Amino acid sequence: ETGVTQSPTHLIKTRGQQVTLRCSSQSGHNTVSWYQQALGQGPQFIFQYYREEENGRGNFPPRFSGLQFPNYSSELNVNALELDDSALYLCASSYPGTASYEQYFGPGTRLTVT
Amino acid sequence: QQQVKQSPQSLIVQKGGISIINCAYENTAFDYFPWYQQFPGKGPALLIAIRPDVSEKKEGRFTISFNKSAKQFSLHIMDSQPGDSATYFCAARNIGGNMLTFGGGTRLMVKP
Repeated sequence: ETGVTQSPTHLIKTRGQQVTLRCSSQSGHNTVSWYQQALGQGPQFIFQYYREEENGRGNFPPRFSGLQFPNYSSELNVNALELDDSALYLCASSYPGTASYEQYFGPGTRLTVT
Repeated sequence: QQQVKQSPQSLIVQKGGISIINCAYENTAFDYFPWYQQFPGKGPALLIAIRPDVSEKKEGRFTISFNKSAKQFSLHIMDSQPGDSATYFCAARNIGGNMLTFGGGTRLMVKP
């Protein structure tokens, strides 16, 4: 286990609704990255937060937004849910400054949009 | 735009055999290449990683081979075991950043 926790484990929402996913990073890690993993595909980078600021963003629309809190935990918010948003949402924590910038993933939140 | 291409999509190996998964990348601005193992219902777990200034790295039964000029790298699993059955992802990190670009994954099944 990596020490990265995510909640909830599973979530079912209706198209057009909004959702908030949560992540607690591994102790000592001040950077959180969020990824979307569609069924049968590799994870795709959504964005990263470092010291409460967005620090890089992938090819996702603005309705995907996030927050990082002083304790380095993080939220991913998705507005106006679409059917294609159904996926496993992963967060990964890391600590810049290590030689390898290793990212440690949580178990994910499975979001189903109907 | 897929910048990291992974093959094969699925692989069946007999117990004790060698599993080989290949990845190729297009962007030269990558400086760190990890491999992740993912079991159903779990998040990806870091398995082994390599930097482009090294041609090979071995950790136990897992070896990464890296060919910088060809922009290719591969994972070799020696003495494959049924417990190795999982999906494997290669990834690449952009220089100066922390974003990982993942390959499409390889579903490995090791038969007893």
